[in-house]
Amino acid sequence: QVQLQESGPGLVRPSQTLSLTCTVSGDSISSADFYWSWIRQHPGKGLEWIGYIYYSGSTYYNPSLKSRDTISLDTSKNQFSLKLRSVTAADTAVYYCARFSTISWYFDYWGQGFLVTVSS
Amino acid sequence: QSALTQPASVSGSPGQSITFSCTGTGSDVAGLNYLSWYQQHPGKAPKLMIYDVTNRPSGVSNRFSGSKSANTASLTISGLQAEDEADYYCSSYTTSSTWVFGGGTKLTVL
Repeated sequence: QVQLQESGPGLVRPSQTLSLTCTVSGDSISSADFYWSWIRQHPGKGLEWIGYIYYSGSTYYNPSLKSRDTISLDTSKNQFSLKLRSVTAADTAVYYCARFSTISWYFDYWGQGFLVTVSS
Repeated sequence: QSALTQPASVSGSPGQSITFSCTGTGSDVAGLNYLSWYQQHPGKAPKLMIYDVTNRPSGVSNRFSGSKSANTASLTISGLQAEDEADYYCSSYTTSSTWVFGGGTKLTVL
């Protein structure tokens, strides 16, 4: 059974960098069969795709984040991470990590979500 | 990239059928068949209900069905049940290798 679990600081100061990690179990992030993605949800709002990474290190990001975000892999720990720089209160959200495959373009496994609050 | 367009809310009575719409562009909904629907209950992660426009994952009730016409996709729930009350999101992979979500529709079961 594939499981994803987000972790990181729940409180980040404005202008600082938000750092989250997604730990994957039941699957290998080194597999060529899957992509690993970050998605967020502002309080009471809809879902917003942030970006994704492939085992090769290739990444794609949502242009609306204006290049503030970076997604990386740590294959030794079977984790992938998100860094979002220069955060503001508008980055307060529940952050999800999720998986989609190279042959089936939908998010089949999601983490439970992790609330990050940006506040001084 | 613009979000897919969904109505903010839909309501129906138990036993009825309701349909959600999701409107996009030629770069997503109309151009590809990688349209999926997710159900989200409060405080929970989204759950996949429909993928590739019309396909239902194992374990999802056959009361849920999907379709598409041009740039608008639809999710239909037949035999509405109280447990169906949730938010529903459509999502599409795009021709730019990115993803886009709809703003979500809140379903109220009266």
